[in-house]
Amino acid sequence: KAGVTQTPRYLIKTRGQQVTLSCSPISGHRSVSWYQQTPGQGLQFLFEYFSETQRNKGNFPGRFSGRQFSNSRSEMNVSTLELGDSALYLCASSFYAGRAYTEAFFGQGTRLTVV
Amino acid sequence: GQQLNQSPQSMFIQEGEDVSMNCTSSSIFNTWLWYKQDPGEGPVLLIALYKAGELTSNGRLTAQFGITRKDSFLNISASIPSDVGIYFCAGQEGVLGGAQKLVFGQGTRLTINP
Repeated sequence: KAGVTQTPRYLIKTRGQQVTLSCSPISGHRSVSWYQQTPGQGLQFLFEYFSETQRNKGNFPGRFSGRQFSNSRSEMNVSTLELGDSALYLCASSFYAGRAYTEAFFGQGTRLTVV
Repeated sequence: GQQLNQSPQSMFIQEGEDVSMNCTSSSIFNTWLWYKQDPGEGPVLLIALYKAGELTSNGRLTAQFGITRKDSFLNISASIPSDVGIYFCAGQEGVLGGAQKLVFGQGTRLTINP
């Protein structure tokens, strides 16, 4: 079974630009969550999508957005990039089994550098 | 953002030694997870705990879900060089409607001297 796939692995962008990151979850997983990892703040929850609907959102500005497609693949977008957006962006997928989620499995991440 | 209190932040041990790390929270979690992350990679799931008081093993790793649901520990026995990395605890909140959200500890960086 293929794991969580994130593309691209590395990105370099200029301040003010926008960026789109992609995540393909494990087959059969309909929940996709996004996390930002920085040395200063650690791993922080961005948002979660399930069946194309955003179900939970972390404390990030509106420049951070996402969406999920009918095949459960997800994208996140960051507009008007700032230097502080440089981070490892991680995607995790989970299987929703009735009333509870199974554990979350992470992709390798996309390393975004804003210059 | 919210984080769990994970300790120690770093450990320097000799190969073959046992390792213990723990996480505490002011909030109750329905699930505790332990991950290991190597440089430049995503976290890899080591152990998942679903019930208060649960003790679970995965090879040389043992983890427990605290009875109060506010803490968890991870033990590694007889450490080997490939255990080097950063270990994270994560608590999964029980959000109404079932939304998935993990809260992470700051990580424990494990270094092993051969």
